[in-house]
Amino acid sequence: DAGVTQSPTHLIKTRGQHVTLRCSPISGHKSVSWYQQVLGQGPQFIFQYYEKEERGRGNFPDRFSARQFPNYSSELNVNALLLGDSALYLCASSGRTSGYNEQFFGPGTRLTVL
Amino acid sequence: AQSVTQLDSQVPVFEEAPVELRCNYSSSVSVYLFWYVQYPNQGLQLLLKYLSGSTLVKGINGFEAEFNKSQTSFHLRKPSVHISDTAEYFCAVEGGGSNYKLTFGKGTLLTVNP
Repeated sequence: DAGVTQSPTHLIKTRGQHVTLRCSPISGHKSVSWYQQVLGQGPQFIFQYYEKEERGRGNFPDRFSARQFPNYSSELNVNALLLGDSALYLCASSGRTSGYNEQFFGPGTRLTVL
Repeated sequence: AQSVTQLDSQVPVFEEAPVELRCNYSSSVSVYLFWYVQYPNQGLQLLLKYLSGSTLVKGINGFEAEFNKSQTSFHLRKPSVHISDTAEYFCAVEGGGSNYKLTFGKGTLLTVNP
């Protein structure tokens, strides 16, 4: 079975631009979470979506937004990019709605903002 | 709110030596605890998890961890490391009403030298 896939693998943007990152969850998983991992730090929670609804949001500015589609894939959008947005963006999918949800991580998208 | 402290940012060891990576957490409610490994330019892979029951948890690749509620610790151990264990290790916590969100420590870089 395919794991969590993310695209693109790498991208380079300049300050002020907009970026869209994409994630496809494991087949059968209905929940997708996004994390930002700045170099030298642990991942930080950005969003979780379940059944196209936002279930939780981390401490990120409104420039960050996301959505989930009927096929449970997800997009993370970041507007007005700042240098500090340079990071590895990780997507994780999980299959249950309550109790313990093991999250399976994708390989990430490396975003560089110049 | 939950937090995770990984007490060592870097741990160098020689091959076949034992290793312990330390993790303390802070939470006012019961939590689930995890250790993830991240190899260079890859996503996160779950090593082991504590949900309930036995405080000694065994994971993949010969790793184990012990949950100590009184000391709020979840240290990771391996009796004999290999060169291939060189990676970044992250301790994470989930729970306390935010069962959709993982809170990570800053990571410990384990370097195994020949």
